[in-house]
Amino acid sequence: DAGITQSPRYKITETGRQVTLMCHQTWSHSYMFWYRQDLGHGLRLIYYSAAADITDKGEVPDGYVVSRSKTENFPLTLESATRSQTSVYFCASSLTGGNQPQHFGDGTRLSIL
Amino acid sequence: QQQVKQSPQSLIVQKGGIPIINCAYENTAFDYFPWYQQFPGKGPALLIAIRPDVSEKKEGRFTISFNKSAKQFSLHIMDSQPGDSATYFCAASKGAQKLVFGQGTRLTINP
Repeated sequence: DAGITQSPRYKITETGRQVTLMCHQTWSHSYMFWYRQDLGHGLRLIYYSAAADITDKGEVPDGYVVSRSKTENFPLTLESATRSQTSVYFCASSLTGGNQPQHFGDGTRLSIL
Repeated sequence: QQQVKQSPQSLIVQKGGIPIINCAYENTAFDYFPWYQQFPGKGPALLIAIRPDVSEKKEGRFTISFNKSAKQFSLHIMDSQPGDSATYFCAASKGAQKLVFGQGTRLTINP
């Protein structure tokens, strides 16, 4: 089915470990986004990408790395996980930038012990 | 400033009532104001959006009211139903720039 898929849906890891969250979209949308959702903070943008090989920081980029070698994939890596990175992570895509609908995946719930 | 402030954080309404969620923004350059709806275990989904050249937009039971001079916009849900229970996010952007989201409102509609 067409859409945007995230994997894994749930992940438990330990502090200091590297973990990668995957995001794949089938619409050939130019823009892709990574958000984290925490109670009281809403959705905060981590990184976004306007096209393959073009990425830029959002509001809370520290501790995260992204890449976009192909239009359809936008993985998010926590190089050395910390407990403060325990959150629900959402990937989204849109045809163009901010004034177009963003289509979200169902999220990855990440717990760091 | 890029902030969008949303209130209330949570809201409980009886079935048939009209919940109202408010958002205020600071950047007068914002020109796109969407609302997203999120059910538990799912990602947010676009519900309705408005641009600042109109003061009101209706889609079914959902209405956005926009007050440009006050830099505020709100979501009204007419004849609310238990199935409307969800978290609602307002957002704003300028042109093709990235969306800035409010903090979210958890809405519960009691039967």
